[in-house]
Amino acid sequence: QVTLKESGPALVKPTQTLTLTCSFSGFSLSAGGMCVSWVRQPPGKALEWLALIGWDDETYYKTSLRTRLTISKDTSRNEVVLTMTNVDPLDTATYFCVRLWQRSTTACSDVFEIWGQGTMVTVSS
Amino acid sequence: SYVLTQAPSVSVAPGQTARITCGGINIGGKSVNWYQHKPGEAPVLVIYDDVDRPSGIPERFSGSNSGNTATLTVTRVEAGDEADYYCQVWDSSSDQWVFGGGTKLTVL
Repeated sequence: QVTLKESGPALVKPTQTLTLTCSFSGFSLSAGGMCVSWVRQPPGKALEWLALIGWDDETYYKTSLRTRLTISKDTSRNEVVLTMTNVDPLDTATYFCVRLWQRSTTACSDVFEIWGQGTMVTVSS
Repeated sequence: SYVLTQAPSVSVAPGQTARITCGGINIGGKSVNWYQHKPGEAPVLVIYDDVDRPSGIPERFSGSNSGNTATLTVTRVEAGDEADYYCQVWDSSSDQWVFGGGTKLTVL
C-alpha cells in the first residue's frame, strides 16, 4: 500500500525559509519512472503545482517560483524535501505531496496518482 | 505558460447530469486528467488520459476532450459528488504540470 505523509512547521514568519518533508512508503523513488511532486492550495483557492523530482534526480519547478524552491530526495530514508526561501503570507497554504503514476521506466508521467493528506502552513509574523 | 480555464461553479439536482468544462488552447492535443477534491481530504484522480477511469471510480464519471475544451461529465449525480473538480495537463513545451482554477460542483 502506497502512502505519503507531509510534515513541517505550521507557522513560519515572513522572509524565513520553509522546509517540508514528505515521508512515503510502499514504493522506491530509485525505481525507473518513479516521481514525486509537491502541490499546494491556498485557502479558498485552486491547486497549484510547485515542483517535482524523479528517480533520476531530475527536477522541475513552477517557473514563477523557480528561484525560491528546492526539491530533493533521500532514497534511503524514503523522503522528499521541499524548501521555499523568503516566504510571504501569500505562501500560506495546504501543501500536498503526491506520487505520480509510474507509466514508464524512463520518464515522469503527467498523472498525479496518490496524494498525501496535506499539511497546512501559515506565514505570519 | 499554458492556462486552463474552468467555470467557478456548476449546480445540478440529484439524479441529473453535471458537465464541467476545462478550456485551453488546443487542449484536444493534450492528455487531460481530472481530480475530485472534497474539503479536508486528499484530492482523488477520477479521470486520466481524457477518458479513462482509475479502478474504483464509478462509471458515472466520464471524460472527453476535443478542440479547445475538455469535459468531465457526471451522470446521475449524487450528494456525495459535491466537491471541487480540477482539470490538469502537462505542458511539454515548458515542462510544467498545470491545474485549472477548479469548479465547485453543488448538488441542489
